[in-house]
Amino acid sequence: AQRVTQPEKLLSVFKGAPVELKCNYSYSGSPELFWYVQYSRQRLQLLLRHISRESIKGFTADLNKGETSFHLKKPFAQEEDSAMYYCALSGARGNQFYFGTGTSLTVIP
Amino acid sequence: KAGVTQTPRYLIKTRGQQVTLSCSPISGHRSVSWYQQTPGQGLQFLFEYFSETQRNKGNFPGRFSGRQFSNSRSEMNVSTLELGDSALYLCASSLVTGSYEQYFGPGTRLTVT
Repeated sequence: AQRVTQPEKLLSVFKGAPVELKCNYSYSGSPELFWYVQYSRQRLQLLLRHISRESIKGFTADLNKGETSFHLKKPFAQEEDSAMYYCALSGARGNQFYFGTGTSLTVIP
Repeated sequence: KAGVTQTPRYLIKTRGQQVTLSCSPISGHRSVSWYQQTPGQGLQFLFEYFSETQRNKGNFPGRFSGRQFSNSRSEMNVSTLELGDSALYLCASSLVTGSYEQYFGPGTRLTVT
């Protein structure tokens, strides 16, 4: 069965410290993995997708098929990174997305 | 370009009633997906409509239904409301079905008492 697991509901780091938000998935097939972010009082929006292999706002995420993980990383956290982060998976049927329960990141000044 | 709009933004209903939520996608977008967001379960996919046809469906009971009109606007209906249906209902639009570029609306907060 398809599942996305984000083990940390809450994560706090100090400004300038590295941050890693964990995401593990289970899917029988070749999924597409994404990270979505929701800043305070804003709408949910796409942060990055694994296929593009790009860095957005300093964040990167590498798909590890062996460990079925797609952790989100940033070497130096900024206060503006404080937000809710959701890991998501899209299967072969396109727009059927499976989201994790989210991790609330707080960057302490 | 205007974003995705959802109406109403807040709704309070009584158990057993039914409710209809509306979503207007970004102009030109033909795909609309619906999600239920709760603190315990996160976002759960309800269904997706494209060109007035349901293309994908999540694992929700038949009390949850939807439709899409020729102008791509979509409605979601929940019949025989239960307390557990209290949630934030989000819709997202994209140009075509199967696109990862979904644009989310602000959501409708449904409270069932």
